[in-house]
Amino acid sequence: AQTVTQSQPEMSVQEAETVTLSCTYDTSESDYYLFWYKQPPSRQMILVIRQEAYKQQNATENRFSVNFQKAAKSFSLKISDSQLGDAAMYFCAYRSQNSGNTPLVFGKGTRLSVIA
Amino acid sequence: KAGVTQTPRYLIKTRGQQVTLSCSPISGHRSVSWYQQTPGQGLQFLFEYFSETQRNKGNFPGRFSGRQFSNSRSEMNVSTLELGDSALYLCASSGGQGWNEQYFGPGTRLTVT
Repeated sequence: AQTVTQSQPEMSVQEAETVTLSCTYDTSESDYYLFWYKQPPSRQMILVIRQEAYKQQNATENRFSVNFQKAAKSFSLKISDSQLGDAAMYFCAYRSQNSGNTPLVFGKGTRLSVIA
Repeated sequence: KAGVTQTPRYLIKTRGQQVTLSCSPISGHRSVSWYQQTPGQGLQFLFEYFSETQRNKGNFPGRFSGRQFSNSRSEMNVSTLELGDSALYLCASSGGQGWNEQYFGPGTRLTVT
């Protein structure tokens, strides 16, 4: 079974600075998807960024980018120019590409605080 | 396009009762998944429905059940509630071009007393 590990339960960053959240995963599959979700205090889980395992190029969405190291099974999220609205729980998630009915496997999350 | 909606947002029930939660997916999405979120266990997969059929099921007791209607709306039911069922229940839908991406609703906070 696949597992996702987020080793940083909590992190903090100064406003306008850059922070990197770590995620590692364990799988024997070669094709899969990886995601970062953000869950602010309002609880709505928001998709931040996704990465297809077959793509070598790291995904980027505005201030959010990933460092995907397939061999190392590492998928970190970098947030640039941090804003107060970035404060939230961040979850790393894995989904097999084999079929459309495989569930997301989540890490335990990292709580990010942004200091003004 | 409207997002995933869940009703009710908050619910308080007593041990032994049963509860039904509802989820309306994004228009055009045919897959609905349910997750339970607790501080101790994190996010755990309950089940997934596609075209009114359960395609996948997580490791939860039979007290947890669900169904999906022809309009893709889904319900989950928990019978004989236990204190440990207190959690945030999240529904996610997927479909269309981004079928591998799941979009979540705001969740239903269930408290069992």
